[in-house]
Amino acid sequence: KAGVTQTPRYLIKTRGQQVTLSCSPISGHRSVSWYQQTPGQGLQFLFEYFSETQRNKGNFPGRFSGRQFSNSRSEMNVSTLELGDSALYLCASSSLGQLGQETQYFGPGTRLLVL
Amino acid sequence: GENVEQHPSTLSVQEGDSAVIKCTYSDSASNYFPWYKQELGKRPQLIIDIRSNVGEKKDQRIAVTLNKTAKHFSLHITETQPEDSAVYFCAASSLNRDDKIIFGKGTRLHILP
Repeated sequence: KAGVTQTPRYLIKTRGQQVTLSCSPISGHRSVSWYQQTPGQGLQFLFEYFSETQRNKGNFPGRFSGRQFSNSRSEMNVSTLELGDSALYLCASSSLGQLGQETQYFGPGTRLLVL
Repeated sequence: GENVEQHPSTLSVQEGDSAVIKCTYSDSASNYFPWYKQELGKRPQLIIDIRSNVGEKKDQRIAVTLNKTAKHFSLHITETQPEDSAVYFCAASSLNRDDKIIFGKGTRLHILP
């Protein structure tokens, strides 16, 4: 099975712009979670989608949003980018999103740099 | 809000010695504690996890202990090897509630030759 893929791998944007990142889960996986990783804050949970519905949400402002398509592919969008949004954005997929019951598999991440 | 503290932030141990990383959590409802290993430039990978109904779990050279009363849990790596060099993240979540997962800030483990 192919692993979790994320596109693009690297991205440079300027403040005020918006960005859309894409994640394709492992075939058959219906849960996709998004995380932000920065040196200062570590790994932080953004949100989780399951069967096209947002099921869980972390403590991020409304500028961060996402969606999931019928094929389980997910996108996250960040509007009005700020310098502090520079980070590695990771997505992870699992079959049912049952934390503790099954393993989450992470993608390689999209490294976003906001100038 | 919920918080997970992880210590130390950096740890250097001689190859063959043991390494211990400690985490404390604030949310008493947390009942699931995974540990992730992230090698340089790679994605995090789950290496071991423990639930609150268990005090200790072992998998070869890796073990995790949990003290629910004190709200802390630890990762123990014995007979360390060069390939153990990585950043390790602990996390806490409540499986019964909302499945939100809170991570520690990571420990950079260096295995010295």
